[in-house]
Amino acid sequence: AQSVTQPDIHITVSEGASLELRCNYSYGATPYLFWYVQSPGQGLQLLLKYFSGDTLVQGIKGFEAEFKRSQSSFNLRKPSVHWSDAAEYFCAVGPFSGGYNKLIFGAGTRLAVHP
Amino acid sequence: AAGVIQSPRHLIKEKRETATLKCYPIPRHDTVYWYQQGPGQDPQFLISFYEKMQSDKGSIPDRFSAQQFSDYHSELNMSSLELGDSALYFCASSSQLAESYNEQFFGPGTRLTVL
Repeated sequence: AQSVTQPDIHITVSEGASLELRCNYSYGATPYLFWYVQSPGQGLQLLLKYFSGDTLVQGIKGFEAEFKRSQSSFNLRKPSVHWSDAAEYFCAVGPFSGGYNKLIFGAGTRLAVHP
Repeated sequence: AAGVIQSPRHLIKEKRETATLKCYPIPRHDTVYWYQQGPGQDPQFLISFYEKMQSDKGSIPDRFSAQQFSDYHSELNMSSLELGDSALYFCASSSQLAESYNEQFFGPGTRLTVL
């Protein structure tokens, strides 16, 4: 069965430090991969996506992610974290056969930023 | 740019009551998805529609029903509400004809509280 694992439930970093959020997926074929960010009580905002091609993708707000097929991973990175990056981050995979591109989300990683 | 609109944004109901959530997709988007996000949980896929026909079904309770109308807006009807139905309900839309057909655009969500 398809699944997404985000091993880190909570991460705390200092402002200005680098960040890496981990995401591993289980899927039989090449997946479409997404990272979303959610501020408290807010909707989901797409940070970046990978469909094909270059395995290093750039997103909004200075985020990037690298697709590694051999490791079934799609980790999110940012070289210097800002206090406004504090939020919950969800990795998601799709599409799946027999459906119109439903997404399966990981459990999320809550990021706290210390000043 | 136009985004996905959901109404109402907040809804408070009593147990055993009925609720109707509405979703207005981005213009020219033909596919609508519904997700449920419980407190501290990741979004879970409920159901989707493509061109007014149900295209996929996830973990949607039998007490819930949904449809997509001729103007592509969708409604999620929830009956015999239970305390456990309290959640944030997201609608997302996409276009099967667009190059980025696998990208779903999320609305701000409807927060349902069942007392």
